[in-house]
Amino acid sequence: NAGVMQNPRHLVRRRGQEARLRCSPMKGHSHVYWYRQLPEEGLKFMVYLQKENIIDESGMPKERFSAEFPKEGPSILRIQQVVRGDSAAYFCASSPGTAYGYTFGSGTRLTVV
Amino acid sequence: QQQVKQSPQSLIVQKGGISIINCAYENTAFDYFPWYQQFPGKGPALLIAIRPDVSEKKEGRFTISFNKSAKQFSLHIMDSQPGDSATYFCAAVAEANNLFFGTGTRLTVIP
Repeated sequence: NAGVMQNPRHLVRRRGQEARLRCSPMKGHSHVYWYRQLPEEGLKFMVYLQKENIIDESGMPKERFSAEFPKEGPSILRIQQVVRGDSAAYFCASSPGTAYGYTFGSGTRLTVV
Repeated sequence: QQQVKQSPQSLIVQKGGISIINCAYENTAFDYFPWYQQFPGKGPALLIAIRPDVSEKKEGRFTISFNKSAKQFSLHIMDSQPGDSATYFCAAVAEANNLFFGTGTRLTVIP
């Protein structure tokens, strides 16, 4: 059981480029959650997805950010036209059905230069 | 708006001492309160959790105390060890949806 796999671990992008972060949930988990962690801060909820559905995107910025969890393959968090303020650690968590059984990945650290 | 307030921001404890981290919330719909431990460069890992129908839960050296009327809960780490040095986050869940995290406490245990 490989746990929640996130890649890449580190990602450097220039301002204006696109960042694509991937998350493969634990085997048997069909619910995926994305969080953002700024330096010296807690984790902020971004989006909650089930296969092919966005359940709650109340934490997603209105522009440039999107997420998907296709029927096949990993969940993708996409950030278009990145800015310096997007630099953060992005964590994915998965659960078998509810938030009571969260397991987090090791995160992707995005640096925008 | 911070749904879960956590203090202190940082904590230094001598080896063998007791580490205490406090959290408070307002939303009475919260029905599950986990604590997560995070080491540098890693994702948060579930440490211990409690539901509001009990006032205390103990697992090894880690204890959660829960005060439903005051809407407060705390983590106590007994006999703190240098290996406990990490950032600790309290969190709360309502209706099985997403977690709301506190801002974290950076614990340093001095040998």
